[in-house]
Amino acid sequence: EPEVTQTPSHQVTQMGQEVILRCVPISNHLYFYWYRQILGQKVEFLVSFYNNEISEKSEIFDDQFSVERPDGSNFTLKIRSTKLEDSAMYFCASSPTLAGGETQYFGPGTRLLVL
Amino acid sequence: GEDVEQSLFLSVREGDSSVINCTYTDSSSTYLYWYKQEPGAGLQLLTYIFSNMDMKQDQRLTVLLNKKDKHLSLRIADTQTGDSAIYFCAEIQGGSTLGRLYFGRGTQLTVWP
Repeated sequence: EPEVTQTPSHQVTQMGQEVILRCVPISNHLYFYWYRQILGQKVEFLVSFYNNEISEKSEIFDDQFSVERPDGSNFTLKIRSTKLEDSAMYFCASSPTLAGGETQYFGPGTRLLVL
Repeated sequence: GEDVEQSLFLSVREGDSSVINCTYTDSSSTYLYWYKQEPGAGLQLLTYIFSNMDMKQDQRLTVLLNKKDKHLSLRIADTQTGDSAIYFCAEIQGGSTLGRLYFGRGTQLTVWP
């Protein structure tokens, strides 16, 4: 069964450093998402992406965040200058369509720790 | 409103039924979902219900939706130790452009043998 994959599974970085989290969505999917979950808190929406552009972003997704689909398979989340509070599990998701409640399929997540 | 609320913990004995409850505030919610998260794993879709339905059954899972009270529940029949996980309720609100999901905090289900 096709699945969303994410790399790396864990990332440790120093505050102020840039990180790139990578995702490979399911191949025929058109809609892509990033969510994050700070330990003990809710899973929060960051951004949705369709047709090579951002469709919606939350208040969390400020100027230090960016997303890109550099080729036909990868979908990346870049955090330019990490802060301690960026430590969280980051989930990528993809969806084939939006019709009929078609669900978002989630990857296993990247656990980011900012020191 | 964006609030989706769930109780944080539930413990049941193996073989019993589990009922996980969720409340939401947005009356325009279109779809409501239940996701399962096992330790170290991602979010796995269990089931979803469209807002014009009252009930959906899928093998051991029964979803009940009370739209008037904005209450969603997930019943797991004959709960097994392998059902131990965190269960997330999530909704897509009516005004959402691309299916932005709003999640609850998750209910940790522990199944005792």
